[in-house]
Formats: sequence, structure tokens, C-alpha cells
Amino acid sequence: GAVVSQHPSWVICKSGTSVKIECRSLDFQATTMFWYRQFPKQSLMLMATSNEGSKATYEQGVEKDKFLINHASLTLSTLTVTSAHPEDSSFYICSATTDLAPGTDHYTGELFFGEGSRLTVL
Amino acid sequence: QKEVEQNSGPLSVPEGAIASLNCTYSDRGSQSFFWYRQYSGKSPELIMFIYSNGDKEDGRFTAQLNKASQYVSLLIRDSQPSDSATYLCAVNGYHFGNEKLTFGTGTRLTIIP
Repeated sequence: GAVVSQHPSWVICKSGTSVKIECRSLDFQATTMFWYRQFPKQSLMLMATSNEGSKATYEQGVEKDKFLINHASLTLSTLTVTSAHPEDSSFYICSATTDLAPGTDHYTGELFFGEGSRLTVL
Repeated sequence: QKEVEQNSGPLSVPEGAIASLNCTYSDRGSQSFFWYRQYSGKSPELIMFIYSNGDKEDGRFTAQLNKASQYVSLLIRDSQPSDSATYLCAVNGYHFGNEKLTFGTGTRLTIIP
């Protein structure tokens, strides 16, 4: 299957600093990437959807000025947590999908996930 | 009503038995349905997807979909201790013109040796 690489896999930072997480599709072009956050023992929560070359669409309750998303190319999206605070500590996961034609046998809307990034803010 | 609902468990099943995981969804326009397995501290990995009513089998796993009842399930035959994980049900819909997967809260499955 397609490979999505996320970096860094874990990061510890001081409160007030900014942290950037990268998400790369290694062997396919990802027209759409999704960023999720997962708190312990909870499900994935979609934070935002980003399409290459356009502004990200944020879910309700997610501060777009705090979680900056850039999808500058078909293989790279970045999430920057600005002025991080301890409550931002979480497991951040990206996923990517290709622009396949819907309604065919080969279209599943399948997402390919990155390995996740564990952020700890002290 | 939550968009995707799962029994949070934990669900304990003896090794070698059948584990049955259930999921209901609220959006009748949903097109594709996925089961992901997530080990603690790891990213989810896709087990199966299904988009037609009925059963779909892949090895020890069988996904069942009933769109009229808005219900999707996952059966794991001959359960192994390595199957112990959290299983996430995900339903595909459209959100702001984009594909969006909505996840359930997950069912924690424990296979007892």
C-alpha cells in the first residue's frame, strides 16, 4: 500500500514554543491530507482538511491561528502548533488520500496514515 | 446522536473464539465503511473496507454491512492474542466537498489466552 511518513515521531517542547510536524506521501500524490488529534483512550478527532495549494478547512472548535496547516505540494503537508501549551500535548496523526474518481470499483476513499507524532508540552 | 457509534468495551474473547465488533452510523449518504486496528501508542492500520451490502471476507476477518439498518460489523475468527487492540469503525462521507472519514470511539478488544 501507499506510504505516508510523519516526522518527528515524538517531540518535547517548552510551553510557549512552536512545533512543526511534517507529513509526506512517499510514493503517491496526495491531493488531500487530514490532520487528526488523539487524546489517551479516545478516538481520532479530525482537526482539519487540507488540499494542495489551498487553505485548510478547520473543524469547529479548532483554532486555525494556533494550528497552522500548510499543504504546499502534493507530497507534503505541515502542521505547526504555535505557542504550544500543556493542554496541546497529544498524539497527532496525519493521513492522505489520492484523487480517485468516485463511483468506481477502485474508489474506496481509503486513507493512508502516518505513524503519528507524540507531542509533549512541558 | 453521535455520527458513528461503537460499544467502547472492553470486549474479552477467549483465544480461538469469534470476536464480534459492531458499529452504527447516522448518515444514510455514507458510501464506504472501514475497520481500523490500533495498537496502543501507534497509528491506526486498515484491516478491511466494505461498500456493498452483505459480507466481505478476508482471511480471518469478515465485514458485514447493512445499509438499511445503518449497521456495519467486523467478525474475527480464530481470535489470536495479537488481535488484542482497539478497533475503530470509520464511515466515509463528504465534508466541505472533501472526503472525510468519521471515526467511532473504538472498541477495545482483549483476547484471553
